[in-house]
Amino acid sequence: QQPVQSPQAVILREGEDAVINCSSSKALYSVHWYRQKHGEAPVFLMILLKGGEQKGHEKISASFNEKKQQSSLYLTASQLSYSGTYFCGTGNSGNTPLVFGKGTRLSVIA
Amino acid sequence: DGGITQSPKYLFRKEGQNVTLSCEQNLNHDAMYWYRQDPGQGLRLIYYSQIVNDFQKGDIAEGYSVSREKKESFPLTVTSAQKNPTAFYLCASGSYRESTQPQHFGDGTRLSIL
Repeated sequence: QQPVQSPQAVILREGEDAVINCSSSKALYSVHWYRQKHGEAPVFLMILLKGGEQKGHEKISASFNEKKQQSSLYLTASQLSYSGTYFCGTGNSGNTPLVFGKGTRLSVIA
Repeated sequence: DGGITQSPKYLFRKEGQNVTLSCEQNLNHDAMYWYRQDPGQGLRLIYYSQIVNDFQKGDIAEGYSVSREKKESFPLTVTSAQKNPTAFYLCASGSYRESTQPQHFGDGTRLSIL
C-alpha cells in the first residue's frame, strides 16, 4: 500500500518553514526521506526507525510517530536549494523493499 | 568513487522491439532495484533482487524482465509486451537489511517510443 504524502505541492519564500507529511495504512518499521531535483536521481536525506526518534541535520529534521503510522519532514528557514520533490519511502519490516509515496513538490522562491 | 552507473541516459524504442537498460554498482551492495517514474506517480517498483541468481517481482513487473548473474549488475529488459514504456527508469542498490539502510540511486534512463 502506497503511503500518502501531503501536501502534494507547496511554494515557499526563502526563509519560510514547511512540513511534509507521510502517512501509511500499515504498521511501519522504517521511513526514508529522499529529495529529487528535476531529471536527477533521488538523494537520501534520512532514515527513521520505529521508536519515535526524531532525526535531523542542519535545518532539515524529521519525526516518526509509530502509533499514528506517520512521519513528518520539517524544513526550517528554507533556502533556494531546498526546491525539489520530496519522497517518503516506507518499510514494513527489515528485509522488504520500500514503498514510495507520490511525492511533494516544494518550490522555494526568492 | 563508489556508485551506481546506469546507461544509456536516453533510449528510444521502436514498436515490437525489446530494449535493455544497464545498471552496474560498485558499492558491494546485496540488494538492487528497478523503479519506474511517471509524472505525479512517485517511484513504482518493477523488480528487485536481494541476492545473486534470485529476483522478485515488484508492483508493476508485467512487460519487464531482469537477470542477476553478478552481484554488480542488474539489467532490465523492457519487452514488446510493455505497451506504455515511456518513463524515467531508476536503478538503486542497498544493503540486505534494506529497510534500515539508505538506497543509492543511479542517474536514470529516459525511455521514449519512436
